[in-house]
Amino acid sequence: AQTVTQSQPEMSVQEAETVTLSCTYDTSESDYYLFWYKQPPSRQMILVIRQEAYKQQNATENRFSVNFQKAAKSFSLKISDSQLGDAAMYFCAYREFGAGSYQLTFGKGTKLSVIP
Amino acid sequence: DTEVTQTPKHLVMGMTNKKSLKCEQHMGHRAMYWYKQKAKKPPELMFVYSYEKLSINESVPSRFSPECPNSSLLNLHLHALQPEDSALYLCASSQDASGTNNEQFFGPGTRLTVL
Repeated sequence: AQTVTQSQPEMSVQEAETVTLSCTYDTSESDYYLFWYKQPPSRQMILVIRQEAYKQQNATENRFSVNFQKAAKSFSLKISDSQLGDAAMYFCAYREFGAGSYQLTFGKGTKLSVIP
Repeated sequence: DTEVTQTPKHLVMGMTNKKSLKCEQHMGHRAMYWYKQKAKKPPELMFVYSYEKLSINESVPSRFSPECPNSSLLNLHLHALQPEDSALYLCASSQDASGTNNEQFFGPGTRLTVL
């Protein structure tokens, strides 16, 4: 079974600084998807960024980028120029590739605080 | 319209009540999901509907009964719940349940309290 591990239950960052959230996963599959979701206190889960395992290039979305290391099974999220609105719970998630693969396996989450 | 809506936002019910949670999306998605999320925990998958048919039931107790009346709507009927069922219930949708168009878009959730 796939597992996703987020080893940092809580982190904090100064506004305008950069922070990196860690995620590792375990799978025997070669093709899969990885996601970072953000859940602010408003509760809604928002997709931040997605990475396809067959793509070597790291995904980026504005201030958010990932460092995807397939051999090491590592998928970290870097947030640049942190803003107060980035304060949230961040979940790393894994999904298999292919027909019938719908289930997201989530990590336990990292609570990010942004200090003004 | 790129959002998933859920009603009500909050629900308080007694253990003998019958209530329903509603979820709606107008993105043309053909897969819809119910998740349960306890405080400070990740979401746990409950049910998956694909093309309006129940394709996954993750061993959820029968006091939770899902329904998909059409491709845009998903209901969760609640009956004889227990206090431990108190949680945030999230609905999500994706273009389909597999393949490349599988990004799940979540609604804001319903905060359920069972007394």
